[in-house]
Amino acid sequence: GAGVSQSPSNKVTEKGKDVELRCDPISGHTALYWYRQSLGQGLEFLIYFQGNSAPDKSGLPSDRFSAERTGGSVSTLTIQRTQQEDSAVYLCASSSVLGGDEKLFFGSGTQLSVL
Amino acid sequence: AQRVTQPEKLLSVFKGAPVELKCNYSYSGSPELFWYVQYSRQRLQLLLRHISRESIKGFTADLNKGETSFHLKKPFAQEEDSAMYYCALSTYGNKLVFGAGTILRVKS
Repeated sequence: GAGVSQSPSNKVTEKGKDVELRCDPISGHTALYWYRQSLGQGLEFLIYFQGNSAPDKSGLPSDRFSAERTGGSVSTLTIQRTQQEDSAVYLCASSSVLGGDEKLFFGSGTQLSVL
Repeated sequence: AQRVTQPEKLLSVFKGAPVELKCNYSYSGSPELFWYVQYSRQRLQLLLRHISRESIKGFTADLNKGETSFHLKKPFAQEEDSAMYYCALSTYGNKLVFGAGTILRVKS
C-alpha cells in the first residue's frame, strides 16, 4: 500500500472486554512503533519493534497491554480487560531506519472508546 | 533516560507575527532531533529534522547543545500553520521519544 494502514478506524467497546488493533506498515520498513495519543497527554510511546531484535516494551502502561509483529510485517496491539482510561487514539508508525534518521510514517490511527 | 519537554500546551499568535515553539531535551549523548506536525484531520507527519538543516514551510530549528534546546521558529505566521506540533528525540537505533506537543493557533 501507499502508507501505513490501521484498522479499525474506530472501536467502541465495553469496559472489561478485550480489543485488538491492527497495523499494516509500509512494505520493507523494519521498524514499527505504537503510540497512544490522548488529550493533555501528548504522544505516549508504547512499544517498538526493530527487525528481529527483541521489542522495546518499556512504554506499555500495564500487563493488560501486549503487541506482536508477525513475520516482520503486520502488528497487532491487544488490550485485555479494557478500562475507561484506555480510551485514546492509538497510532502506529513505521520507519526504514537508515543511519538513525528516524523519519516515521504514521497511520491515521484507531480511535478507541471504552464505555 | 531520554526526555523531551515542550513547556507550552497552547501558543496563540496573530497572522504575520513571529512564532517560536519551545523544545528542550535531556540526553547525554548526541541526539537526533525532529519536529512533527499534525494538521486538522490529517496524519502526523515529519516537518523537519536537525541533521538536514532545512527550512520547511518557512520553519527552521537550530540544535543548541549548550542549552539542550531545539526550538522551532518562523518569522511570519500564517493561518495554515495552525496545527499540533511535536518535538521528538532519537538516538541511533533506539526509539523515537516525543514531547507532549504544542497547539499553535494563528489568528487572523
